[in-house]
Amino acid sequence: EIVLTQSPDFQSVTPKEKVTITCRASQNIGSSLHWYQQKPDQSPKLLIKYVSQSISGVPSRFSGSGSGTDFNLTINSLEVEDAATYYCHQSSSLHHAFGPGTKVDIK
Amino acid sequence: EVQLVQSGAEVKKPGESLKISCKGSGYSFTSYWIGWVRQMPGKGLEWMGIIYPGDSDTRYSPSFQGQVTISVDKSISTAYLQWSSLKASDTAMYFCARTVSPLYPFDIWGQGTMVTVSS
Repeated sequence: EIVLTQSPDFQSVTPKEKVTITCRASQNIGSSLHWYQQKPDQSPKLLIKYVSQSISGVPSRFSGSGSGTDFNLTINSLEVEDAATYYCHQSSSLHHAFGPGTKVDIK
Repeated sequence: EVQLVQSGAEVKKPGESLKISCKGSGYSFTSYWIGWVRQMPGKGLEWMGIIYPGDSDTRYSPSFQGQVTISVDKSISTAYLQWSSLKASDTAMYFCARTVSPLYPFDIWGQGTMVTVSS
């Protein structure tokens, strides 16, 4: 079973600052890694698919990188509306898995 | 508009059965898989399983195999998640979500159904 870990667990950030969230897989998942944003009391929203592919309607300040076991989600010039919990998700194996989440708070 | 609309919040007692629903609209329901995701209070997302409405092919996470049943009625574009005997630990928000393939991410999510199990 593939396990995903994320770091940091929590990050408090000033607007316009750059944020980087890391997701690590317990084994090689190639490029089958996706990122979601979940705001309080809302459903998750797909931000990035297959490591770095953009999603229509998602601001260009969100980008992804990585391969194999190590992946990053970067938010360039954070905005107040980006306060949320971010989850990585792997679809490489028969049984998918989500990371534990990284909560981003605005200072 | 493509959307998944889930049934309303439920409050049940331990040992009771429950079936919650997820109705798809605005797209070809039988061409996309529907997955279920659990979120316990204050916790992260857990992948439970997925079903293909076209032929009812179903895959479960080992953590949820035998604990829940995923089904579908393609005639009314609706997927279901059911329990035969609820436990307090089943208290959670349950989301359904759509994916074009078991190897793809979820691109459309339902609004969630809150299930509370308490004596």
